[in-house]
Amino acid sequence: QSVLTQAPSVSAAPGQNVTISCFESGSNIGNNSVSWYQQLPGTAPKLLIYENHKRPSGIPDRFSGSKSGTSATLGITGLQPGDEADYYCATWDTSLSARYVFGIGTKVTVL
Amino acid sequence: QVQVVQSGAELRKPGASVKVSCKASGYTFTTYGINWVRQAPGQGLEWMGWISTYHGHTHYAQRFQGRVSMTTDTSTTTAYMEMRSLRPDDTAVYFCARVSTVFGAVVSDAFDIWGQGTMVTVSS
Repeated sequence: QSVLTQAPSVSAAPGQNVTISCFESGSNIGNNSVSWYQQLPGTAPKLLIYENHKRPSGIPDRFSGSKSGTSATLGITGLQPGDEADYYCATWDTSLSARYVFGIGTKVTVL
Repeated sequence: QVQVVQSGAELRKPGASVKVSCKASGYTFTTYGINWVRQAPGQGLEWMGWISTYHGHTHYAQRFQGRVSMTTDTSTTTAYMEMRSLRPDDTAVYFCARVSTVFGAVVSDAFDIWGQGTMVTVSS
């Protein structure tokens, strides 16, 4: 079964850029598209990126997504205090027992 | 506006059952499936399964099979998740989230609208 690995935390000062990577142990990222979710403290997750790089309406272009092979990356430019949150990558695992898999999450801290 | 609104917090004793609801509005209910995701305190997101609102088919994560039932009521545009034989480690916030479907088949990688979450506490 697929496992999505993310760094547990990343920190940066306001205005700086950060990238969050998502590595997969299987082959599902290579075969399926990846979404990214932002979860602010005490709230429900919010869709940030879908189909590897697309942004839903209302998501600022400071957020970007990309995929290469079995890894995906979320980029945040011009970090703001309101970006302090947990970020999860996710994809469908279409192996033997189909399921939706979330990464373990990356906590972004704005210094 | 498009939204899904969940029922309120629940407290149950070990061994009991709980049923959480997810009321959808602002869109055509049967064109989106409903997923259930839970988050234990301080932990990450865990997908539990999903139900097609188009034909009622379900698919559960292996670890919840036999203990979870997901249903929908198209007349009230409401989805339900029932969990039985609750244990203290089922204490978590439970979210519903919609996913785009065509004739009941998932066609998207993204859960674009989420409910606010329902806290379920299992304690004696």
